[in-house]
Formats: sequence, C-alpha cells, structure tokens
Amino acid sequence: EIVMTQSPATLSVSPGERATLSCRASQSVSSNLAWYQQKPGQAPRLLIYGASTRATGIPARFSGSGSGTEFTLTISSLQSEDFAVYYCQQYNNWPLITFGPGTKVDIK
Amino acid sequence: EVQLVQSGAEVKKPGESLKISCKGSGYSFTSYWIGWVRQMPGKGLEWMGIIYPGDSDTRYSPSFQGQVTISADKSISTAYLQWSSLKASDTAMYYCARRSSYGHNFDYWGQGTLVTVSS
Repeated sequence: EIVMTQSPATLSVSPGERATLSCRASQSVSSNLAWYQQKPGQAPRLLIYGASTRATGIPARFSGSGSGTEFTLTISSLQSEDFAVYYCQQYNNWPLITFGPGTKVDIK
Repeated sequence: EVQLVQSGAEVKKPGESLKISCKGSGYSFTSYWIGWVRQMPGKGLEWMGIIYPGDSDTRYSPSFQGQVTISADKSISTAYLQWSSLKASDTAMYYCARRSSYGHNFDYWGQGTLVTVSS
C-alpha cells in the first residue's frame, strides 16, 4: 500500500497570505495525485487532479505541482472561504487508492 | 447537472444489517465508476471500494474486503453499500463519489450518509 503523508497537520494563515501545503508518497505515484478541500459539514470537493490540473470551476489561486513522491498545493492569496481541511489522494496504485491524513488551514 | 443523492441518516444496533444508497442523475450512470469513502468522526478520508455500474465490476480496499458489500442497480441509477452485521466501529459518515474522466479521482460527491451504531 502506498502511504501518503501531509505536512503540516495545521497551517495558520492570515487572509490574503499565501499557503503552501505538502504531500508526500511512500513511493512514486507519477502525476496521479489529486487534492480535495473539505469544509465542516460538507462533502469533499475536487480541486486538482493530475497533480497540477485545476478541476472545473476551481479558482486560479489554487495551484498544484510536483511529481513522483513530492507534491505541493499552493493557495496564492487566502480568502475567507478557503479555510478548510485539504486532503491529497494518490490513484497511481489502482485499485489501492489512498488519501493523506489532511492539512487543516485555519485563521491566524 | 450531475448529482449524487444519498439516503438519509441511520441509527442501528450492533449486529443489525444495513444498506445505504446513492442515486446518480444528470449523467450516464453506467459509464462512470462510483466509489465509497468512509470518514469516521473527526478523522480523515478512507477509500472503501468502487463499482462500475455498467457491468458491476467491483474492487475493494483490502481494509474493507469482506466487511462490506458494494452493489449497483443500473435500472434505477443507484449504487449501494451494505453491511450484514454492524459494529460500533462502523459509526461514520459515508460518501459516495463519481470517478472523474481523468483518472481515479472523484469529481462529484454525494452529501454523505451518517451511520450511527450504538446499543
């Protein structure tokens, strides 16, 4: 099983600042990585797939990068609606899909 | 508009059986895989398994193989997740989600079904 780790566990950021979230895979997943946002009481929402492609309707302030085992989600200028938990997910090892433990982005 | 609508919250006792549902609309239900994801209280996302309604091809996470059954009825565009004997540790929110056209990630999600198992 491919183990996903995310850092930091919690990121405190002021509105308007940049947020950088990391995701690491225990072995290469190529570019088969997605990022999701989950707000309290809501289902997850797909933000990024293929490591760097924004999903439909996702604002340009969200960007993804990386390949192999190291990935980054960047939110260029945090808006109030961006405070949430963010999960990475690898799908290279189909059907053994795995999610990371999440990074909570909260208000500084 | 693509929608996945899940059945309502359930409260069950240990040992009871349960089947929850996920109805798809706004797209060709038989052409997209539907996955199930567990989220225990205050915890992260766990992938449980996935089904292709077109031919009922089903895959399970090793962690959930033998613990749950995933099925689908394409005539009514509905996928199911069922337990034969619930445990308290099955208490969680369960989401269904549609596999996207761009790899095994999930572009549309149901609203979730909360399952509470308590004596």
